[in-house]
Amino acid sequence: DTAVSQTPKYLVTQMGNDKSIKCEQNLGHDTMYWYKQDSKKFLKIMFSYNNKELIINETVPNRFSPKSPDKAHLNLHINSLELGDSAVYFCASSPSNREQPQHFGDGTRLSIL
Amino acid sequence: GESVGLHLPTLSVQEGDNSIINCAYSNSASDYFIWYKQESGKGPQFIIDIRSNMDKRQGQRVTVLLNKTVKHLSLQIAATQPGDSAVYFCAENGGSARQLTFGSGTQLTVLP
Repeated sequence: DTAVSQTPKYLVTQMGNDKSIKCEQNLGHDTMYWYKQDSKKFLKIMFSYNNKELIINETVPNRFSPKSPDKAHLNLHINSLELGDSAVYFCASSPSNREQPQHFGDGTRLSIL
Repeated sequence: GESVGLHLPTLSVQEGDNSIINCAYSNSASDYFIWYKQESGKGPQFIIDIRSNMDKRQGQRVTVLLNKTVKHLSLQIAATQPGDSAVYFCAENGGSARQLTFGSGTQLTVLP
């Protein structure tokens, strides 16, 4: 039933660890995104993939590496986690046409100890 | 750089009253605008969108108004209900690759 699903919903880990967040969409969309939402609710795009190809890579540390095995999946791997990485990470998808609403998952709350 | 901003970070309204949430944008090249609602612990949920060739668009209990002259966008919610309490974001396609750029959000609280 769920259109855009992310796992895990909560992720608590220590500084320096490597972790991954998975995202899947069953809407048949061509484009997928990763956003970071900070403690003040500000939403900022990190990456965008269209049909498995990277099309947007905002100023994000190269410790963050997205991977799209197919157009229904976009995973986010984070190396050497830092305190500042604590945030809620949202996956979204949309049809290939940019002027279409993006559908968001419910987020992964990442807490770095 | 270009940015999307909101006039009011918080808004409290009485149940049954109408709500108006405002948004200012600065990228004159933006031609697609969208409103999202985010409830606690959830992802942003699409409410309504509007393209720059329109000034007004209505949905169920919601209306979006676009004033391109002053680069202003508003969301009107009729007969506000407790379930409308959430953070509301406006967004525009003003990014470098025409991706969505989000405003800072307005917390709407509906009072009984």
